[in-house]
Amino acid sequence: AQKITQTQPGMFVQEKEAVTLDCTYDTSDQSYGLFWYKQPSSGEMIFLIYQGSYDEQNATEGRYSLNFQKARKSANLVISASQLGDSAMYFCAMREGNTGNQFYFGTGTSLTVIP
Amino acid sequence: DAGITQSPRYKITETGRQVTLMCHQTWSHSYMFWYRQDLGHGLRLIYYSAAADITDKGEVPDGYVVSRSKTENFPLTLESATRSQTSVYFCASRAFFRGTEAFFGQGTRLTVV
Repeated sequence: AQKITQTQPGMFVQEKEAVTLDCTYDTSDQSYGLFWYKQPSSGEMIFLIYQGSYDEQNATEGRYSLNFQKARKSANLVISASQLGDSAMYFCAMREGNTGNQFYFGTGTSLTVIP
Repeated sequence: DAGITQSPRYKITETGRQVTLMCHQTWSHSYMFWYRQDLGHGLRLIYYSAAADITDKGEVPDGYVVSRSKTENFPLTLESATRSQTSVYFCASRAFFRGTEAFFGQGTRLTVV
């Protein structure tokens, strides 16, 4: 079974609008971490935001927030006030267990911001 | 330079040849990982290492060998390259603590002809 599922291969958003990128995960561990990365066309992987499974508040980092719904096993990324520079691939990832030996990624969502 | 670096950035090799991709990190991170990125598959874990001399298989280990004799280095070897191993390879490292993210190298684009 897929550990991380991203069902939106491609998304479009108007500049200055908000957009939600979906991510669901599958684990039986009680302790895990969820991460979002951005990959622009240049290819590097840029860390955006982290949510721990025991964190009660949704994580926020500037224009990025993570909508964490534990019972539904979802960890959606919300980008507010989209900018042209947000056009990129976005990957959801999960660290399982306490030690984090396994770090799984989804297939990614390609976001295009339209001027 | 501080950080995580991969070499080479680009490599073309022939089917059947052995090729080694290098990864070096300067943070003394405990964990290191090798991923391959292919269209439609995202990043798939090939091998990972929790410390020097401790390595384990990920999701797609067949055809690959790793070693980690020193904390800072984690080379990936394709023993006999096949066309299906044409991909972009990323090395990553992270610290031991639960909440820390993985830091990625710039990637190596490998083409097997």
